[in-house]
Amino acid sequence: KNQVEQSPQSLIILEGKNCTLQCNYTVSPFSNLRWYKQDTGRGPVSLTIMTFSENTKSNGRYTATLDADTKQSSLHITASQLSDSASYICVVSANSGNTPLVFGKGTRLSVIA
Amino acid sequence: GAGVSQTPSNKVTEKGKYVELRCDPISGHTALYWYRQSLGQGPEFLIYFQGTGAADDSGLPNDRFFAVRPEGSVSTLKIQRTERGDSAVYLCASSLDGPLDEQYFGPGTRLTVT
Repeated sequence: KNQVEQSPQSLIILEGKNCTLQCNYTVSPFSNLRWYKQDTGRGPVSLTIMTFSENTKSNGRYTATLDADTKQSSLHITASQLSDSASYICVVSANSGNTPLVFGKGTRLSVIA
Repeated sequence: GAGVSQTPSNKVTEKGKYVELRCDPISGHTALYWYRQSLGQGPEFLIYFQGTGAADDSGLPNDRFFAVRPEGSVSTLKIQRTERGDSAVYLCASSLDGPLDEQYFGPGTRLTVT
């Protein structure tokens, strides 16, 4: 069964600190992996998207890594800001035009002053 | 429009009633998706349209749920005989061509069934 597991479920960090969120998946055959940021009461917004051949991609203070062999991805946030407080959702797409995306449950990040 | 819009933003209805939720995708996007998100969970796929037709409706939980996209643009998610378990945020997304493209999400409709 295609699944995406994220850890930790929630995380609290001090403003200015770095953090890393984890994602493990069993989706096959793999097409791409995306990280989304979802603020409370809003729809998810894409941060990064990586295909099989990419093992790292950055978007400002967000850096995503992908290990397609171990089926693991991480999202590293550098110098966190209060506005980074949100849910971060890992999403994996199978290599089939009609197969829907498989969403993780997300990691709830709280950045405090 | 500039992004995906959904109406209403909030809907409260009584158990057993019928509701319609509307999604306006980004202009020119041929693919449209409906998701349901419960509190503390990631979005759960419901249905995907390519143009006017439902390319994949495997996520619809039962026959009380139905969606249409008659002109290949605006879509309506219809829920009959609503149950309290239907309470959730219903998200709509669109992409230029298909599921492998970037999906842009709307703000969602929060449905509460009392």
